[in-house]
Amino acid sequence: DARVTQTPRDKVTEMGQEVTMRCQPILGHNTVFWYRQTMKQGLELLAYFRNRAPLDDSGMPKDRFSAEMPDATLATLKIQPSEPRDSAVYFCASGLDGGMEAFFGQGTRLTVV
Amino acid sequence: KNQVEQSPQSLIILEGKNCTLQCNYTVSPFSNLRWYKQDTGRGPVSLTIMTFSENTKSNGRYTATLDADTKQSSLHITASQLSDSASYICVVSAPSGGYNKLIFGAGTRLAVHP
Repeated sequence: DARVTQTPRDKVTEMGQEVTMRCQPILGHNTVFWYRQTMKQGLELLAYFRNRAPLDDSGMPKDRFSAEMPDATLATLKIQPSEPRDSAVYFCASGLDGGMEAFFGQGTRLTVV
Repeated sequence: KNQVEQSPQSLIILEGKNCTLQCNYTVSPFSNLRWYKQDTGRGPVSLTIMTFSENTKSNGRYTATLDADTKQSSLHITASQLSDSASYICVVSAPSGGYNKLIFGAGTRLAVHP
């Protein structure tokens, strides 16, 4: 069945290490979102892609975070270097431009120690 | 500032009972309003989506209402089940920078007890 797939599901890393999270959007979807969820802040938008082009990354700390879509079937979110305050659940969602629905993946739980 | 506020923050009810969750928003203009259910450790799943011209939409035991004049929405759960235990998130979609940006409420955490 069609779903957004995120890997890894869980990641524990040491401060300073590079972290890469991957997302496979639903086949045929042309919009991809990256969100971060914490108990304190709830869901926050980090980046938005349409047709693989980044259209909004205003919510992303540019000094350490980067998001890319090497091709239509893969979106990546990278943190380098990681810090303890980056600990959160990172969600990817995909949809169709002009459509109303956004489908979320199961998330990557990141713990930076 | 565009905001979405939900109440109550958390709620405990007994299985079989009904409950109503509230959402107030200040987002303007807005494209649509959504209710998502998020089980612990999982991603949000859409329950209902309403445009400004719709004032009620049902999905099984879930019924959402929308009053675009007062900028209020509610989610009513009928005959609750243990599996309804989850966080319910109200999300307003607003046009911003050439696309519809999702503005999330903090959620209501619902616990259904036997």
